[in-house]
Amino acid sequence: DAGITQSPRHKVTETGTPVTLRCHQTENHRYMYWYRQDPGHGLRLIHYSYGVKDTDKGEVSDGYSVSRSKTEDFLLTLESATSSQTSVYFCAISGLAGEAYEQYFGPGTRLTVT
Amino acid sequence: GNSVTQMEGPVTLSEEAFLTINCTYTATGYPSLFWYVQYPGEGLQLLLKATKADDKGSNKGFEATYRKETTSFHLEKGSVQVSDSAVYFCALTDSGGGADGLTFGKGTHLIIQP
Repeated sequence: DAGITQSPRHKVTETGTPVTLRCHQTENHRYMYWYRQDPGHGLRLIHYSYGVKDTDKGEVSDGYSVSRSKTEDFLLTLESATSSQTSVYFCAISGLAGEAYEQYFGPGTRLTVT
Repeated sequence: GNSVTQMEGPVTLSEEAFLTINCTYTATGYPSLFWYVQYPGEGLQLLLKATKADDKGSNKGFEATYRKETTSFHLEKGSVQVSDSAVYFCALTDSGGGADGLTFGKGTHLIIQP
């Protein structure tokens, strides 16, 4: 299994508070991604990174920001959490030679915004 | 834009039955296609992949063939087991040399009864 950890694994927060989720990899993969999983929607891409300090928006980026200051860490920030951001958040990585498009997923973070 | 359509289920089968989960896609380029599996409380695991037309991906008794003419990538298994109970996601990437992220179907919940 790819070495991907996410923290925290569970979080409950109040509407309007900022929240940061962390993804850490030990695989030295170039690409990192944040997805959210919601019933009836599958997984949807929030943001992704193709290198240190290089990031881009995905399908559902409104209300989220990301940062990648080191190869191994990719942070997702909810600037002011809303109830619609209650979801399960998954980090993924890819980028080994010959496996450029395969993505490996972390265990997920369950976020509840009350 | 890209999209993936799959039967949502739940699909309920008896042990040793034949499984087919349909997946069709639309893409602007030449996508790579994937099936991922998610067991309860876990992240997604790559099950199999195909990167060009007529490729067959296979793993753990599951198979899927990339059919460009019908834009399909149906998942099949000849004899399912209770341990195959999970949610299955069809996905594609159309990165054209980059790694912009996966587009997922909504997932198919598979229940295998003993």
